[in-house]
Amino acid sequence: NAGVMQNPRHLVRRRGQEARLRCSPMKGHSHVYWYRQLPEEGLKFMVYLQKENIIDESGMPKERFSAEFPKEGPSILRIQQVVRGDSAAYFCASSQSSTSGEYNEQFFGPGTRLTVL
Amino acid sequence: GQQVMQIPQYQHVQEGEDFTTYCNSSTTLSNIQWYKQRPGGHPVFLIQLVKSGEVKKQKRLTFQFGEAKKNSSLHITATQTTDVGTYFCAGLASGGGADGLTFGKGTHLIIQP
Repeated sequence: NAGVMQNPRHLVRRRGQEARLRCSPMKGHSHVYWYRQLPEEGLKFMVYLQKENIIDESGMPKERFSAEFPKEGPSILRIQQVVRGDSAAYFCASSQSSTSGEYNEQFFGPGTRLTVL
Repeated sequence: GQQVMQIPQYQHVQEGEDFTTYCNSSTTLSNIQWYKQRPGGHPVFLIQLVKSGEVKKQKRLTFQFGEAKKNSSLHITATQTTDVGTYFCAGLASGGGADGLTFGKGTHLIIQP
């Protein structure tokens, strides 16, 4: 029973390029969350998605960042025209139910470490 | 917006000593979760507290949720080197609204043998 998968594990981009981060939730999980973590910092919530729907994107920057969770395939976090300040670890988590539901434990993936040169 | 504060940011203890981290929310919480992240690793769920005044134990770990559901604590008895890592609390605001968890900045536990 595979856990949450994220790829790539490490991603290096130059300023102005696009970064695409992928997340495959655990089997049976339809709720996906993206978080950003800066060194020595906590996790900052970015976006919460269910299949084909964005439920809460209150933590997502208004520009350059977008997320999707299509009916088929992994969830994608896309960062356009990356800047140095985007360098961080991006974690994806999945849960069986919503955060207020009974099975709301979030299982985290290994993260993608993004470095912008 | 909701804020979750955690103290201390760093805690150095001798192996065998006890450790406590405290979490305070600016708003009343529906529930609170605790996670542990080892250096270079990813957060791993430890426990969830839902009820006012709730206390849960996992071996040497004791978790408490305040009566007002705005604060929580994690206490580790007789720390071991395997306890090293960062402990995060994460709260879900009550009253509906956003479904994202708000994480504290974590407490880094450093153990000296």
